[in-house]
Amino acid sequence: QVQVVQSGAEGKKPGASVKVSCKTSGYTFNTYGINWLRQAPGQGLEWMGWISTDRADTEYPQKFQGRITLTIDTSASTAYMELRNLRSDDTAVYYCVRESRTSPFYFDYWGQGTLVTVSS
Amino acid sequence: DIQMTQSPSSLSASVGDRVIITCRASQSISNFLNWYQQKPGAAPKLLIYGASTLQSGVPSRFTGSASGTVFTLSISNLQPEDFATYYCQQSYSGRNFGQGTKLEIK
Repeated sequence: QVQVVQSGAEGKKPGASVKVSCKTSGYTFNTYGINWLRQAPGQGLEWMGWISTDRADTEYPQKFQGRITLTIDTSASTAYMELRNLRSDDTAVYYCVRESRTSPFYFDYWGQGTLVTVSS
Repeated sequence: DIQMTQSPSSLSASVGDRVIITCRASQSISNFLNWYQQKPGAAPKLLIYGASTLQSGVPSRFTGSASGTVFTLSISNLQPEDFATYYCQQSYSGRNFGQGTKLEIK
């Protein structure tokens, strides 16, 4: 069965970086794209970016460009999200999600979420 | 960027009621519209994709429809487990979400 398992909670200081991992299993990793989302406390869902798992192409919304990097390790069926220059408003639960192979694209399997807390 | 405007932001209803949640796209997105349900402390769950296709395992009391840039999620015969927050999401360009609709028990 498909599983998406993220790394554990992180506590960071303002200005630091965080790297969250997302290990997948139960399917062929390089046939489904991976997206990253986040949800601040009590808030809605925010899309942070997409990475193709065959060519590692990426797409980021303008808000995060220059501060986020998505990468993959195909041999480990794992995706990574690195966010730099953290601020207090980056405190959120970060989700890794698998995207469907064909359009209309949708998120069918979700990681459990990783809480990142940014505080001095 | 495509903006998704979801309404209402909150809704109170009783078990057995029918409710409708609306999502409006700022431009044409064809049928690239998905709906998710999120319960407190849990990751969202896919309900409907492609505006109207029910995800496997989702009860048939959930239906999605589209008319131009306006999309609706209808839940009939509300059950206690349906009280949650619902999000629409477009996948035509980028992957952004509506603001969410919190469905509460009246």
